[in-house]
Amino acid sequence: KNEVEQSPQNLTAQEGEFITINCSYSVGISALHWLQQHPGGGIVSLFMLSSGKKKHGRLIATINIQEKHSSLHITASHPRDSAVYICAVGAGETSGSRLTFGEGTQLTVNP
Amino acid sequence: DARVTQTPRHKVTEMGQEVTMRCQPILGHNTVFWYRQTMMQGLELLAYFRNRAPLDDSGMPKDRFSAEMPDATLATLKIQPSEPRDSAVYFCASGLDRGNEQYFGPGTRLTVT
Repeated sequence: KNEVEQSPQNLTAQEGEFITINCSYSVGISALHWLQQHPGGGIVSLFMLSSGKKKHGRLIATINIQEKHSSLHITASHPRDSAVYICAVGAGETSGSRLTFGEGTQLTVNP
Repeated sequence: DARVTQTPRHKVTEMGQEVTMRCQPILGHNTVFWYRQTMMQGLELLAYFRNRAPLDDSGMPKDRFSAEMPDATLATLKIQPSEPRDSAVYFCASGLDRGNEQYFGPGTRLTVT
């Protein structure tokens, strides 16, 4: 069993739909990261969180430390949101330490 | 606009050749990470540095890979000799040690034939 599991692996949505991507982890962590990777290959960090909830524009990330679970939500999805979304957990004494990655969720938003 | 830079962006080489990849972290960042991404394994950590000191390189094949930070503005990842199974995208990321996220470079796409 992987230390970080994401679901679903693939997700296709229509423009405007509300999207949820889930991440479960099995190890103790200092922080959880959500990353976005576009078809061109570049990786962008969306969120880093260790508790509660964060919001940036149409993106919302939540984490439940007791349940070892995090969700990434996209409201009013748009074709430009099409990308691979990767959950990663940071272990160790600080949030700047090594990351272990999930396999990613391929999101396709159709117009 | 501070960014992590990586060179080269693409590298094609023959098996057995030495490959050196370079990374310039964002000025002021004190942690540097090297990751490798393949279709089969996804993203995996190879090595990371804090204040230029190597902290963890357990993900790196020691017999052929080496990572160094000659100074605070340069990190290098070297493969000698390269093998076809090393073909991957190698990402460098930098960050601050306390409470901040990691910033990824554009990656070096390596093909070993």
